[in-house]
Amino acid sequence: GEDVEQSLFLSVREGDSSVINCTYTDSSSTYLYWYKQEPGAGLQLLTYIFSNMDMKQDQRLTVLLNKKDKHLSLRIADTQTGDSAIYFCAETNAGKSTFGDGTTLTVKP
Amino acid sequence: KAGVTQTPRYLIKTRGQQVTLSCSPISGHRSVSWYQQTPGQGLQFLFEYFSETQRNKGNFPGRFSGRQFSNSRSEMNVSTLELGDSALYLCASSLGSYTGELFFGEGSRLTVL
Repeated sequence: GEDVEQSLFLSVREGDSSVINCTYTDSSSTYLYWYKQEPGAGLQLLTYIFSNMDMKQDQRLTVLLNKKDKHLSLRIADTQTGDSAIYFCAETNAGKSTFGDGTTLTVKP
Repeated sequence: KAGVTQTPRYLIKTRGQQVTLSCSPISGHRSVSWYQQTPGQGLQFLFEYFSETQRNKGNFPGRFSGRQFSNSRSEMNVSTLELGDSALYLCASSLGSYTGELFFGEGSRLTVL
């Protein structure tokens, strides 16, 4: 079945760039998403990329997709303390979304 | 535009009881999905409803069930609760166009004692 894997933890200093990586197995995934979850809250959609794209930039966020290696990354430029949260990668195929276990990003001042 | 509303936000039950959770999607959204989130298992897909029909189902036992009403509101029910059912239950709504863009509620945190 589908599987999505992420590293569990990432720690960076305020002002640095953060890169969160994700690998997935379903080659027929049509959409790939990044969600953010803050403590005590649900998931919030950050950005997405269609499977026929290589890169998408949205303000401080850059998503890179290597479809051959089934590798997705999220780069956050100029990381702020408010970016501290859990980030989930998700793949979607035929309406069903499979999520990774989430990467906890800690931003140190 | 109001977001996804889940009720109740917190509840405590004992083993063997049953529980019903409610989700009101964003107006105009016809798809509602349910997820179970636990520290050990991450985010697990329960089921998805679209226009009152279950369209997708995850790998959960029959104790977990759901339904969707004509106004797109959805409920999920867990019968014969077990300690392992303690989790945050998240509801997500979408237009249902298979794009996968989900809008989540804040969840219902269930504690089973």
